[in-house]
Amino acid sequence: DTVLTQSPALAVSPGERVSISCRASEGVNSYMHWYQQKPGQQPKLLIYKASNLASGVPARFSGSGSGTDFTLTIDPVEADDTATYFCQQSWNDPRTFGGGTKLELK
Amino acid sequence: EVQLKESGPGLVQPSQTLSLTCTVSGFSLTDYSVHWVRQPPGKGLEWMGVMWSGGSTAYNSALKSRLSISRDTSKSQVFLKMNSLQTEDTAIYYCTREYIPTDYFDYWGQGVMVTVSS
Repeated sequence: DTVLTQSPALAVSPGERVSISCRASEGVNSYMHWYQQKPGQQPKLLIYKASNLASGVPARFSGSGSGTDFTLTIDPVEADDTATYFCQQSWNDPRTFGGGTKLELK
Repeated sequence: EVQLKESGPGLVQPSQTLSLTCTVSGFSLTDYSVHWVRQPPGKGLEWMGVMWSGGSTAYNSALKSRLSISRDTSKSQVFLKMNSLQTEDTAIYYCTREYIPTDYFDYWGQGVMVTVSS
């Protein structure tokens, strides 16, 4: 299975820029997607296919990468962005998720 | 409007079988695949399996021996059955639709919390 590795936690101040990384154990082409999950809620799609902004998602969110290294960037970070962010690949079977990066605001 | 809603028991005894239903609306099960994903308390997301739009299934290899996914297209329902439950199966269980052809999960159910305990 394709293992996706994310840093477990980050802390940033509002107004700053933050980059959340996701590294795949094998190539996933551009089929990497990002989700935001707030406590008590289901995951919400942010970015699909590495760099495409999902409908209704603020332009502060962006994605980049291909192959094995991917990044979700939030610029500028707002208080409402406190959440856990998961990457997920759909190039290789089975579908797999990263362990999640918990973003906290200082 | 696309919606998915999970239903099932909140409490299951160890060694028993879990049965969950995902009822969908706003799309056809013959046009989209529906996946099951679970999340233990305070932990990450685990892909469990899928009912493909054509009617075939695929499972997480770690769960394959205990897991079965089926559907009733006339009722727009997808079913999950998992046997021999243990405490580590305690989790929120989600069903989610996969968008074709880019294969991301665009709609999620609210999830159902399942606790395995005697």
